[in-house]
Amino acid sequence: AQKITQTQPGMFVQEKEAVTLDCTYDTSDQSYGLFWYKQPSSGEMIFLIYQGSYDEQNATEGRYSLNFQKARKSANLVISASQLGDSAMYFCAYEGGSEKLVFGKGTKLTVNP
Amino acid sequence: DTEVTQTPKHLVMGMTNKKSLKCEQHMGHRAMYWYKQKAKKPPELMFVYSYEKLSINESVPSRFSPECPNSSLLNLHLHALQPEDSALYLCASSRLLAGASYEQYFGPGTRLTVT
Repeated sequence: AQKITQTQPGMFVQEKEAVTLDCTYDTSDQSYGLFWYKQPSSGEMIFLIYQGSYDEQNATEGRYSLNFQKARKSANLVISASQLGDSAMYFCAYEGGSEKLVFGKGTKLTVNP
Repeated sequence: DTEVTQTPKHLVMGMTNKKSLKCEQHMGHRAMYWYKQKAKKPPELMFVYSYEKLSINESVPSRFSPECPNSSLLNLHLHALQPEDSALYLCASSRLLAGASYEQYFGPGTRLTVT
């Protein structure tokens, strides 16, 4: 079974600085997708960014970028120019074409003013 | 319309009550999901409906009963719940991406408290 590991239970960053949230995965699938979601205290899961296993370029969406290293099976999220509103739980998730998302345990990010 | 809606936002129910959670999407997505999420934990998959048929049931107790009346609507019927069932219940729908993965769109969730 696929496994997603987020080793950072909590992270702190100063406003306007960049931060990297780690995610590694374990799979034998050839085709898969990696997702990052943000969950504020309100509860809604907000999609941030997606990386397909065959994508040659690292995904970017505004201030979010995904540092995808396929050989190392890592898909780290980079948030540039952190804002106070970025404080939330961040989940990395794996999808192997089975319609099931496998989530990591999450990282709680706190942005300090 | 790129939204998944859920009602109610909050629900408090006794252990003998019967209630239902409702989820709706109008994005034409063929798959819909129910998740349960406890505080400070990731979401746990409960059910998946694909083309209005139940395709995945993650060994959920029978006191949770899903229903998919049509391709836009998903219900979760609750009966005889236990206090440990108190959680955030998230609904999602998905679309197939070019890379053959499914991107899931989540609703805002229903916070359920069982007393």
